[in-house]
Amino acid sequence: DVKVTQSSRYLVKRTGEKVFLECVQDMDHENMFWYRQDPGLGLRLIYFSYDVKMKEKGDIPEGYSVSREKKERFSLILESASTNQTSMYLCASSPTGGFQQYFGPGTRLTVT
Amino acid sequence: QKEVEQDPGPLSVPEGAIVSLNCTYSNSAFQYFMWYRQYSRKGPELLMYTYSSGNKEDGRFTAQVDKSSKYISLFIRDSQPSDSATYLCAMRTQGGSEKLVFGKGTKLTVNP
Repeated sequence: DVKVTQSSRYLVKRTGEKVFLECVQDMDHENMFWYRQDPGLGLRLIYFSYDVKMKEKGDIPEGYSVSREKKERFSLILESASTNQTSMYLCASSPTGGFQQYFGPGTRLTVT
Repeated sequence: QKEVEQDPGPLSVPEGAIVSLNCTYSNSAFQYFMWYRQYSRKGPELLMYTYSSGNKEDGRFTAQVDKSSKYISLFIRDSQPSDSATYLCAMRTQGGSEKLVFGKGTKLTVNP
């Protein structure tokens, strides 16, 4: 079974802090994704990586950066957290050419 | 017009009802059509997928794709309280971008 794990289920941070969200997948997938999910807005793609050190902006990259130094690990970085970044963050992975994305359990981030 | 439109509901039905969930889309290049199910405080999981047009049945679930109308449906027969979740449609092209385009999701509650 594919497993995608995220470093924290719940996280509370203060405004201005630097926040790291980590995602690890164990199926040797080339593609990894970071989404945020908000009521009424659905899933929105923040960043996408199709290979180690390769990344592509999604629909809402502002205020975020990413890092992919190893194939199995994809990190989302909030350089200076703000209250409007309070959200559920979901990581996903997929093989190249595969249609299915496999999601992690999500991290509920609250910025106060 | 958004690429994928999905009525967010919420939808509340009695146990045993037939449920119909729908999405419309605008990109005629979409070839893979998926339904994800997301339980509360969990990541989405693939429920069913269809390639190109037609129907697919899996137990109480039927997925339909009408490419001429750019309309996809998910039917749930004999709905159960355990079907209570948010259902997201998702689509992608064959080849091209590895990204999925998601609907906003419909929240379904099946009442015992």
